[in-house]
Amino acid sequence: DAMVIQNPRYQVTQFGKPVTLSCSQTLNHNVMYWYQQKSSQAPKLLFHYYDKDFNNEADTPDNFQSRRPNTSFCFLDIRSPGLGDAAMYLCATRDRVGNQPQHFGDGTRLSIL
Amino acid sequence: AQKITQTQPGMFVQEKEAVTLDCTYDTSDPSYGLFWYKQPSSGEMIFLIYQGSYDQQNATEGRYSLNFQKARKSANLVISASQLGDSAMYFCAMREPTGGGNKLTFGTGTQLKVEL
Repeated sequence: DAMVIQNPRYQVTQFGKPVTLSCSQTLNHNVMYWYQQKSSQAPKLLFHYYDKDFNNEADTPDNFQSRRPNTSFCFLDIRSPGLGDAAMYLCATRDRVGNQPQHFGDGTRLSIL
Repeated sequence: AQKITQTQPGMFVQEKEAVTLDCTYDTSDPSYGLFWYKQPSSGEMIFLIYQGSYDQQNATEGRYSLNFQKARKSANLVISASQLGDSAMYFCAMREPTGGGNKLTFGTGTQLKVEL
C-alpha cells in the first residue's frame, strides 16, 4: 500500500522544456518535502511545506518552484531544466506531531536530453 | 550548524554476519533525533530506525539496532544476520528542530554489499 506516491517513476525532458513532477500522499501529513539527489550523493532539500506555508532553502535555484494545492498533493516545477538538473527527485511527508520519521516516495528519476 | 559524518564510503559483509555502519554527529542543540534510512539501487528511501537524544535505551527494530553513545556523539547502525537484500546505500540523518519543518541533515552514506 503505497502511502507517498510519485509520478512518473522516470521522466525524460528536453533541455529548457518545463517539466512537472508530482507527489501525492494518503497519510494526511502536514509537512511535505522535495529533495534533489544526484548520483552517489546525499539527498539535498529543495523546499518544504508546513501545511500551506512554503519554505524555500536558501540555495535552491529560482528555476525550481513548487505548488501544494491541497494536503494530499505537491508538485515540483522546473521551469527551464538544464543538464545539471538531471537527478533523482524525492518527495517525503511527515506528521508534525512528535519525532516522526519522514516517509519517502519511490522517487522520480529525471533525465535531460 | 548540525553535521553528520559517515566515514565508511563502502562496506562488505558476508551473509549471516553482523555489520556496523558508523555515524557521528555534531550539534549544540540538546534535543535532536537521529534516523537511519536504507536506499536500494531502485532509489526509494526506506526508514529503518530512530533514536531520540533523550531516549534512555538504544533503539531496536528487528535485525536493526542503534548503538547510541551520546557522550561520543555517535549513533552506529548494527545489522545482525545480514541478508543479500541488505545490499544498499545507508544514510544517517539528524533532525533539525527548525520550527515545524523538522528538516533532516543527511550524511554522505555508506554503500553496503552483502556477499555469499
